[in-house]
Amino acid sequence: DIQMTQSPSSLSASVGDRVTITCRASQTISNFLNWYQQKPGKAPKLLIYLASSLQNGVPSRFSGSGSGTDFTLTIGSLQPEDFATYYCQQSSSIPQTFGQGTRLEIK
Amino acid sequence: QVQLQESGPGLVKPSQTLSLTCIVSGTSIRSDGYYWSWIRQHPGKGLEWIGYIYYSGSTYYNPSLKSRLTISVDMSKNQFSLKLSSVTAADTAVYYCARYFDINNNYRFFDFWGQGTLVTVSS
Repeated sequence: DIQMTQSPSSLSASVGDRVTITCRASQTISNFLNWYQQKPGKAPKLLIYLASSLQNGVPSRFSGSGSGTDFTLTIGSLQPEDFATYYCQQSSSIPQTFGQGTRLEIK
Repeated sequence: QVQLQESGPGLVKPSQTLSLTCIVSGTSIRSDGYYWSWIRQHPGKGLEWIGYIYYSGSTYYNPSLKSRLTISVDMSKNQFSLKLSSVTAADTAVYYCARYFDINNNYRFFDFWGQGTLVTVSS
């Protein structure tokens, strides 16, 4: 199985901050990397697919980059509704696997 | 508007079979390029892909669960189902159904999810 490792595991930031979350795959996955946002008690929501493509309806302050094994999710200017847990997911091979999550908290 | 809704018992006894159904609305389960998926999340933990099925009946399972797992599709009702046998407390989780998009071996993401249903394994 491909292991996905996110860092940091948790992060405190303020409204208006720019934040970056990283995700590393244990082997190359090309650009088959997706990012999801999950709020408490809710299902995950797709933000970014194929490493850098913004899903319809997702604000442009979200962006993704990377290929191979190293990827990043950047939130350009944090809004109150962005405080949530973020997961990366590889879809290069079965079994599809997720990172352990990054919890983004209000400072 | 695509919607998925899980249904099934919230409590299952150890060694029994966990059975869930996902009702799909707003789109046909026959749509090309879409795979109908199950994902679970243990309490307070991360996400685990269980498996998915194409409308043709082709199934793809997580090897860690494959020996206990059956995913099936009912096109007449536009729904798909999960059966996980010989459950233990380790199968206690929120179970999500989700739509997975993969066309021409590209894209490959979960774009619509159900709200999730908590299944507890306990006697």
